[in-house]
Amino acid sequence: RKEVEQDPGPFNVPEGATVAFNCTYSNSASQSFFWYRQDCRKEPKLLMSVYSSGNEDGRFTAQLNRASQYISLLIRDSKLSDSATYLCVVKSGYQGGGTSYGKLTFGQGTILTVHP
Amino acid sequence: EPEVTQTPSHQVTQMGQEVILRCVPISNHLYFYWYRQILGQKVEFLVSFYNNEISEKSEIFDDQFSVERPDGSNFTLKIRSTKLEDSAMYFCASEWNTEAFFGQGTRLTVV
Repeated sequence: RKEVEQDPGPFNVPEGATVAFNCTYSNSASQSFFWYRQDCRKEPKLLMSVYSSGNEDGRFTAQLNRASQYISLLIRDSKLSDSATYLCVVKSGYQGGGTSYGKLTFGQGTILTVHP
Repeated sequence: EPEVTQTPSHQVTQMGQEVILRCVPISNHLYFYWYRQILGQKVEFLVSFYNNEISEKSEIFDDQFSVERPDGSNFTLKIRSTKLEDSAMYFCASEWNTEAFFGQGTRLTVV
């Protein structure tokens, strides 16, 4: 089983659509969870962290289910500028002093194309 | 806004040659990482570095690879004898308070 597995995609949606990405991870000891965005041939950029209570940032909502080892990202009212590869990322490592550090394990990414 | 900077942006080298990829992490960060991404594949962890020593490395990070922080600002990745399969995008990252910040990457092409 892959450490981090994402929907294969690609997703091709019209502007204004709602799109959902899913991800599962295999290491139950994983500590922190993220969605990153990667534009073509660019570095990954943090989109948002993911918490068990769920969190929202504008049009983006992320959810974590630790029991199922499942992470999701919902994008509402898609914009052309949302076109990118979305990476599900899990951190395993060390925690202390209110922070955590350690290696990131990436999923293979899901390509989203938003068209007019 | 502070950022991680990497040089060069693109390096072409002959198989068997040594290359050094350079990174300047964000100044108050303590944890540093190298990742690579082969074209069309996922981002893979290579090595983490803290307090002037390697804290974790992947099985990709074999004896051909080394890292060092020679002067307190630069963080380098050396590949001693490059192979064709080392061709990839190499990303440096530094971390503060849970969030990792990535440099723009060095595209290494081994011919």
